[in-house]
Amino acid sequence: DVKVTQSSRYLVKRTGEKVFLECVQDMDHENMFWYRQDPGLGLRLIYFSYDVKMKEKGDIPEGYSVSREKKERFSLILESASTNQTSMYLCASRKGTVFNEQFFGPGTRLTVL
Amino acid sequence: DAKTTQPTSMDCAEGRAANLPCNHSTISGNEYVYWYRQIHSQGPQYIIHGLKNNETNEMASLIITEDRKSSTLILPHATLRDTAVYYCIVPWGNEKLTFGTGTRLTIIP
Repeated sequence: DVKVTQSSRYLVKRTGEKVFLECVQDMDHENMFWYRQDPGLGLRLIYFSYDVKMKEKGDIPEGYSVSREKKERFSLILESASTNQTSMYLCASRKGTVFNEQFFGPGTRLTVL
Repeated sequence: DAKTTQPTSMDCAEGRAANLPCNHSTISGNEYVYWYRQIHSQGPQYIIHGLKNNETNEMASLIITEDRKSSTLILPHATLRDTAVYYCIVPWGNEKLTFGTGTRLTIIP
């Protein structure tokens, strides 16, 4: 059974903290994605990676960075968390082009106080 | 990129067919239409995709109009577990899916 897992289901952090969200996939997919989801705004793409050590900005990269040191792992980093980064964060992976199915993790609900 | 337009919400009686429309009037000739759904507290899940012809799988059917400017996702016998947000997507380039706000489908017992 294919799987995308995320390190935490729920996370509470304080303003100014550095936050790491981890995502692991076991399908040997080249492409990995980080989205955030907010009420009324749908899913918005933050960053994606199409290979190890490669990254591309999505639609809302400000305030975030990413790391892809191994093919199976894609990390989202909030260098200095702010309250407006309180959101649901979803990781996804996909083999090859956009014409293939994209698999999502269960999400991490991050609250920044 | 081709923009899609979907109704914000819809209701459907349990056991009936749920028909979810999507407009994509700016779609180009080689762009596919994809449907995903997101059940509450889960990540989105792929349902089906198509280019020109109608498509069917174990989850749903996809009807694409001849001019390709709109499509309809059909859940033939809706159950309570089909309550979800349904996203109609026309992918941009070869890299990324852009999700809008989708249609919130509620199945009524």
